[in-house]
Amino acid sequence: DAMVIQNPRYQVTQFGKPVTLSCSQTLNHNVMYWYQQKSSQAPKLLFHYYDKDFNNEADTPDNFQSRRPNTSFCFLDIRSPGLGDAAMYLCATSRDRASGRVDEQFFGPGTRLTVL
Amino acid sequence: QKEVEQNSGPLSVPEGAIASLNCTYSDRGSQSFFWYRQYSGKSPELIMFIYSNGDKEDGRFTAQLNKASQYVSLLIRDSQPSDSATYLCAVMGTGFQKLVFGTGTRLLVSP
Repeated sequence: DAMVIQNPRYQVTQFGKPVTLSCSQTLNHNVMYWYQQKSSQAPKLLFHYYDKDFNNEADTPDNFQSRRPNTSFCFLDIRSPGLGDAAMYLCATSRDRASGRVDEQFFGPGTRLTVL
Repeated sequence: QKEVEQNSGPLSVPEGAIASLNCTYSDRGSQSFFWYRQYSGKSPELIMFIYSNGDKEDGRFTAQLNKASQYVSLLIRDSQPSDSATYLCAVMGTGFQKLVFGTGTRLLVSP
């Protein structure tokens, strides 16, 4: 089945220790997103890729970086995690609206990040 | 003013009743509207989407959109305990494919 996969599902890191979260998709969608969701809050968009074009949200901290080496994979790098970065990190994909297709976003299962 | 507003709840309904979830949005140019269901500790799952004014039905779910009032709702008929979750309203504007989420309404369906 076509899907969005995130690894790991649970990640524990230490304060200040870099961490990388990964996302892969078999949907062949050209748009990929990273969201941060804290408890009882709405998902917050960090950045998205339109093909290889990277688009950062204005309020995304510099501590967060992303890479998309190909259509299928996207990575979220947190260079120096702080306690406030503990959250669920969600990857999502969608098809190009220009194609005329429905542009809903499909989410992966998420990675729960704990910072000690 | 928040861009997408939802009552946080919890909204409690008995099994078999109709649950009505509401959402208002501030961007009058918004084009696409989505309802996601999110179980505790899980990722959002798309339930319904609607683009045009009026009603759209899919099984037990009906999405209603009123662009003039900037209002979108989700009705769940014959509510089941398994429907207990947080329901996120999400709105996409005329710009790039960026979804703006509400904080969600927690629904509790009691047996």
